[in-house]
Amino acid sequence: DVKVTQSSRYLVKRTGEKVFLECVQDMDHENMFWYRQDPGLGLRLIYFSYDVKMKEKGDIPEGYSVSREKKERFSLILESASTNQTSMYLCASSDAYGYTFGSGTRLTVV
Amino acid sequence: GESVGLHLPTLSVQEGDNSIINCAYSNSASDYFIWYKQESGKGPQFIIDIRSNMDKRQGQRVTVLLNKTVKHLSLQIAATQPGDSAVYFCAENPNSGNTPLVFGKGTRLSVIA
Repeated sequence: DVKVTQSSRYLVKRTGEKVFLECVQDMDHENMFWYRQDPGLGLRLIYFSYDVKMKEKGDIPEGYSVSREKKERFSLILESASTNQTSMYLCASSDAYGYTFGSGTRLTVV
Repeated sequence: GESVGLHLPTLSVQEGDNSIINCAYSNSASDYFIWYKQESGKGPQFIIDIRSNMDKRQGQRVTVLLNKTVKHLSLQIAATQPGDSAVYFCAENPNSGNTPLVFGKGTRLSVIA
């Protein structure tokens, strides 16, 4: 069963901490994406990557960075977590046939 | 249907009735559209897709209709079941290079048993 795996389902971090959200896919997809999901705002694209070591800013990249050192892994980094980054974070990978999403990481910054 | 703002549109349907979820998309050049279903605690899952050269596509209990004239997409679910309760998102492929899908804000479907 092909899938996208996010390392944590729930995470609680303190303001100012550096936070790493990990995502791994086993479908050999070129494309990977990070979204955050907030009530009523839908899915907002943070960063995406179409190849190893390549990254592109999405709609809301401020306060985030990403790393793609290997094809199967795409990491989202919060350099200094803030309370307004409390959200559900969704990773996805895609080929020509559509996106496959992970189950999400619910991050709470206190 | 889908809308801008902090309130997620909600559709309540009696079990066994048909559901229609609407979506207005923004880009007339978009060539591919997808509906996703997101159950509580899970990531969005693919339901059905349609290309812009079609106006209707049917799956198992689901039908997607595309009206390019008014840039409108709808998802019809026949004989709605409690397991259909979820948030439904439409997505469009802007058909502009390698631009990511653009997602709508979602509609919550609640099925009344």
